[in-house]
Amino acid sequence: AQSVTQLDSQVPVFEEAPVELRCNYSSSVSVYLFWYVQYPNQGLQLLLKYLSGSTLVKGINGFEAEFNKSQTSFHLRKPSVHISDTAEYFCAVAYSSASKIIFGSGTRLSIRP
Amino acid sequence: EPEVTQTPSHQVTQMGQEVILRCVPISNHLYFYWYRQILGQKVEFLVSFYNNEISEKSEIFDDQFSVERPDGSNFTLKIRSTKLEDSAMYFCASSGGSGLADIQITDTQYFGPGTRLTVL
Repeated sequence: AQSVTQLDSQVPVFEEAPVELRCNYSSSVSVYLFWYVQYPNQGLQLLLKYLSGSTLVKGINGFEAEFNKSQTSFHLRKPSVHISDTAEYFCAVAYSSASKIIFGSGTRLSIRP
Repeated sequence: EPEVTQTPSHQVTQMGQEVILRCVPISNHLYFYWYRQILGQKVEFLVSFYNNEISEKSEIFDDQFSVERPDGSNFTLKIRSTKLEDSAMYFCASSGGSGLADIQITDTQYFGPGTRLTVL
């Protein structure tokens, strides 16, 4: 069975500082990996996805993530955060886009000025 | 850019009442989903729908829930007799795929803005 673990429920960081949000997954088969962002009182927006190919994936708003098969990780990074990045970030896995998405518990990113 | 829309944005109902949550998926998409997020918790899969039938459902999706695609554009989630624990944000999603129904084709699930259901 697939599962997703986001170890950090909250990550406070100063504006313009780098940030890494951790995500580990478990699956006995190949999976597709996603990061979704949920801004306050809004729906889910896809930040980036890993389907195959290059293990470094670039997404919107300057975010990127690296797929590491040996460590079963898909950590999200941004070199310099902005106040507008304040949101909840969800790591997720799926067998394919036609199958259900399994979400992690989320990491709340709070940016301090 | 095409988007998934949901109505209403907020629904308040009394326990035991029936509610219908509506979604308009992206027009050329073939796969449809409902997820829910109880306040402060993770997003959970409820059901997926393809070719006018349920393709997968979770343990949460019991006999009180049903889905329907009544016409070419809407996708609805019905809860027959709401319980307090049904209070949550409900998200609709859709994804593409080809007309050949190859479920290995990769595409993105696009989510709607959600309907907040409050059961009193």
